[in-house]
Amino acid sequence: DGGITQSPKYLFRKEGQNVTLSCEQNLNHDAMYWYRQDPGQGLRLIYYSQIVNDFQKGDIAEGYSVSREKKESFPLTVTSAQKNPTAFYLCASSMKYRKTTNEKLFFGSGTQLSVL
Amino acid sequence: GQQLNQSPQSMFIQEGEDVSMNCTSSSIFNTWLWYKQEPGEGPVLLIALYKAGELTSNGRLTAQFGITRKDSFLNISASIPSDVGIYFCAGQAGGSSNTGKLIFGQGTTLQVKP
Repeated sequence: DGGITQSPKYLFRKEGQNVTLSCEQNLNHDAMYWYRQDPGQGLRLIYYSQIVNDFQKGDIAEGYSVSREKKESFPLTVTSAQKNPTAFYLCASSMKYRKTTNEKLFFGSGTQLSVL
Repeated sequence: GQQLNQSPQSMFIQEGEDVSMNCTSSSIFNTWLWYKQEPGEGPVLLIALYKAGELTSNGRLTAQFGITRKDSFLNISASIPSDVGIYFCAGQAGGSSNTGKLIFGQGTTLQVKP
């Protein structure tokens, strides 16, 4: 079945450690996104990628990094510079980048990151 | 930055009751999306709206794109226990404010008592 797969489901980070969250999609979508969700808040955009080998910062990119070497994959690294990393992280994709079209956004099932 | 105000923040209702929630924006939007998120899962798209005044249904769910283009409403009729979850609105600004980014409301947490 086509969809977006995030792994792991739960992840723990030690102080000073970088951790990487995986996101893979087999929907043949061009655009991919990373959102952060905190309790009682809306989703906030971290990074997005319109096409392979290209990505842009979202609203809260500090302390995070991404890569887009393959169309199917958009991993997110939470670096030690992110001082408050505990949150639920959601990966999403759309067929095309939304600015030029009204593409629907499809989400993965999320990764819960906690600090040890 | 642009913000969406979603209300109510939470609802606790009896099974069989109807539910209404809404989102308002300070600027004009050209797209409204409504998502449902169950605990520990990603949001799932319920309804997408693209034109002012548009009214769209998906089973017991009905959503409307406000005529002013600054608000949207979601109604759930005859609620059942599996309607439990967090409902998010999301919108995309129109015209010169369009960056392609979706802006999300804070969510409405719905609990249904059998």
